[in-house]
Amino acid sequence: DAGVIQSPRHEVTEMGQEVTLRCKPISGHDYLFWYRQTMMRGLELLIYFNNNVPIDDSGMPEDRFSAKMPNASFSTLKIQPSEPRDSAVYFCASRVSIRAAEQFFGPGTRLTVL
Amino acid sequence: TQLLEQSPQFLSIQEGENLTVYCNSSSVFSSLQWYRQEPGEGPVLLVTVVTGGEVKKLKRLTFQFGDARKDSSLHITAAQPGDTGLYLCAGGSESNYQLIWGAGTKLIIKP
Repeated sequence: DAGVIQSPRHEVTEMGQEVTLRCKPISGHDYLFWYRQTMMRGLELLIYFNNNVPIDDSGMPEDRFSAKMPNASFSTLKIQPSEPRDSAVYFCASRVSIRAAEQFFGPGTRLTVL
Repeated sequence: TQLLEQSPQFLSIQEGENLTVYCNSSSVFSSLQWYRQEPGEGPVLLVTVVTGGEVKKLKRLTFQFGDARKDSSLHITAAQPGDTGLYLCAGGSESNYQLIWGAGTKLIIKP
């Protein structure tokens, strides 16, 4: 398996623009997580899905953030409109089941909002 | 609210030295994981401990879960430059599917 795939790896945009981050989890994994990592706040869970259904989005900073998982092999995290404080590395991770705690992370998307 | 505190936050030592990183909480966890993250990459799992008092070894790395399952330590013997990275601990509970993450220890091993 290729592991968790994220695109793009780097994104530079201007304040006010829409940003869409993409993730392909490992095939057969039931859980998908979106995280944000910054120097100040560390790794923060934004939202996670179980079998394509959003379970907990309490970590989503505000309404500008939205996430979807239309099928088991694809998820998106959208920021609209983007702001400079959204600059961070965004990770997608997948997990095979509720019994297996290990999370497999993608390489991340480094987002810079100017 | 469950919290995991890692210490130290930053550690820079010479190659060949030993070091210990700590992960502490007032909460009990059913499992404790240690991840290593290298620049430009996502965290990668090193080990999972699930039993109080459990000790696991991975080459020069020794992981221990506290007897009460509230704390854990990572000891590296004869550190090498390849050990450089961000070490993250994460606690899991049986009642949820999320991990509680520590803030991480940034480790630099100088040749």
